[in-house]
Amino acid sequence: QAVLTQPSSLSASPGASASLTCTLPSGINVGTYRIYWYQQKPGSPPQYLLRYKSDSDKQQGSGVPSRFSGSKDASANAGILLISGLQFEDEADYYCMIWNGSAWVFGGGTKVTVL
Amino acid sequence: EVQLVESGGGLVQPGGSLRLSCAASGFTFSDHYMDWVRQAPGKGLEWLARIKNKANSYTTDYAASVKGRFVISRDDSKNSLYLQMNSLKTEDTAVYYCGDLGSGIWGQGTMVTVSS
Repeated sequence: QAVLTQPSSLSASPGASASLTCTLPSGINVGTYRIYWYQQKPGSPPQYLLRYKSDSDKQQGSGVPSRFSGSKDASANAGILLISGLQFEDEADYYCMIWNGSAWVFGGGTKVTVL
Repeated sequence: EVQLVESGGGLVQPGGSLRLSCAASGFTFSDHYMDWVRQAPGKGLEWLARIKNKANSYTTDYAASVKGRFVISRDDSKNSLYLQMNSLKTEDTAVYYCGDLGSGIWGQGTMVTVSS
């Protein structure tokens, strides 16, 4: 059972924006953590998109378009992956991840459908 | 080009053992912490183990699900990472990836099937 909670699916139209959430359990403050985001297409390994802790501590993966961006919603204790200008090629599974001090922890993944 | 290539996967009977290897190239392997992750068919990602670098005494961490059965190791002279898997169970069937998760470096994966 994933400790990080992600919606199982999300559908959006081409050109729209999609906001994927990654909610941390209560008692774990999202502000403390770097949130990593990965994209995985069928039959392929996960591809690193970006990590985000704050506007001063963030990293975009090599070659990852700027329409993928990270942020946080402190009130929801969640990390957010925003995909702007959705394209058909963005159809994939998206996973969030944190290092909790002794282990990498993944979310259950969100399947993004572009239709 | 940064590259990780896993090998050693295959079919093994329940209770058996298997050793996975991961060959690194294109980056200074010895500087990096390295991880093993798996993905069961149709399921999400599960972190298994991490080994730190020499400067951090090659310290290891394991997921509870594999602690005591799996052993992660590395040979910096060969730019290689290993995962010794013992007492395998059918639920260990998965694609196994090596990588440096914090740096976003992943291999292509190797399939392990545990079945009689």
